[in-house]
Amino acid sequence: NAGVMQNPRHLVRRRGQEARLRCSPMKGHSHVYWYRQLPEEGLKFMVYLQKENIIDESGMPKERFSAEFPKEGPSILRIQQVVRGDSAAYFCASSPLGDGNTIYFGEGSWLTVV
Amino acid sequence: DAKTTQPPSMDCAEGRAANLPCNHSTISGNEYVYWYRQIHSQGPQYIIHGLKNNETNEMASLIITEDRKSSTLILPHATLRDTAVYYCIVRGNSNSGYALNFGKGTSLLVTP
Repeated sequence: NAGVMQNPRHLVRRRGQEARLRCSPMKGHSHVYWYRQLPEEGLKFMVYLQKENIIDESGMPKERFSAEFPKEGPSILRIQQVVRGDSAAYFCASSPLGDGNTIYFGEGSWLTVV
Repeated sequence: DAKTTQPPSMDCAEGRAANLPCNHSTISGNEYVYWYRQIHSQGPQYIIHGLKNNETNEMASLIITEDRKSSTLILPHATLRDTAVYYCIVRGNSNSGYALNFGKGTSLLVTP
């Protein structure tokens, strides 16, 4: 059973460009979570989604950031007009419905804004 | 979710047991205790979780006090590869799902 798959693993963007990070949850998982880890800081919750539904986006910055989890395909975290402060590791996680809802993480996508 | 308190850092000699404490005095009856760890530059790794009974799996044991206000994660024979930041998280559990809120964790250094 493949784990949570994230791509790209590393992404370099110039200031003002858009960054798209993709996450495929584990098979059978219907919940997806995105976290951000700034350099030398802790993991911060950003958003929690189910298929076609944002459940909790209390950790998302109000501007430039959006997330979706369509009926088909991976979850996407989109950052528009990136700035240097967006440079961070972005982790996706997934959990099943029921089964204790244990959350499993991917290996992360490292965004560098130059 | 209830807040947790962990020591910022601990050392452990290779081959010895590592006992990582966590206080969660405001935990409520339907909240679980979860442990994750993050090895440098990797994604967080699930270790174990429990409600009120002690739990054991291939990675670790979790001891929860009877009043549930604290717990201890035990790595029975620590190796150098266990060097990581360990997070104790209290989380509700239901079919609707709850996000994990990570604190600062305990940085465990396993030394030769």
